[in-house]
Amino acid sequence: EVQLVESGGGLVQPGGSLRLSCAASGFTFSSYDMHWVRQATGKGLEWVSAIGTAGDTYYPGSVKGRFTISRENAKNSLYLQMNSLRAGDTAVYYCARAQEGYFDLWGRGTLVTVSS
Amino acid sequence: DIQMTQSPSSLSASVGDRVTITCRASQGIRNDLGWYQQKPGKAPKRLIYAASSLQSGVPSRFSGSGSGTEFTLTISSLQPEDFATYYCLQHNSYPMYTFGQGTKLEIK
Repeated sequence: EVQLVESGGGLVQPGGSLRLSCAASGFTFSSYDMHWVRQATGKGLEWVSAIGTAGDTYYPGSVKGRFTISRENAKNSLYLQMNSLRAGDTAVYYCARAQEGYFDLWGRGTLVTVSS
Repeated sequence: DIQMTQSPSSLSASVGDRVTITCRASQGIRNDLGWYQQKPGKAPKRLIYAASSLQSGVPSRFSGSGSGTEFTLTISSLQPEDFATYYCLQHNSYPMYTFGQGTKLEIK
């Protein structure tokens, strides 16, 4: 089955770190650009990071310098290392596959809560 | 950075109504825009890509149009399952993406 499954979310204190994982199955993971998208409760979607097939990475200003996206093709896995977390980073984090620029496959998401 | 302004932010309509949602880009993005539907507790689902191409399996009552800076999503005859939140998403600045703010479509 073609799917993405996120894990690693949880409760973390402000200033803390967390590493999210996304396990891909049913397709050739190494052939796709992959992304992280987040959604705070009751809010809209926000693009968080991207990684190309060659390992090139991209971030919006809101997370640049704090978040690091990576991939391990041998394990069909995508990661998001989140450091210096803030209350505003509280959200459901989705991993998504990009096909010709469009997100055509999403995971179910993992909840990250930043609170003391 | 490319900004996407989506309107309205919420919309109340009845089954059978025709509704239109608009996204405006801060600069020209050709047709590098998609529309997504999201239901509570679920991941978004792609409806439209390349501004006007219907994703396979999506009902034909959904349609998209536009190019450059102004785009619309139209639902020709609302069905009960269409009540959800809709987002536009540009990727002209690929791989830097921008979502619209979302439009929550509610039952009148």
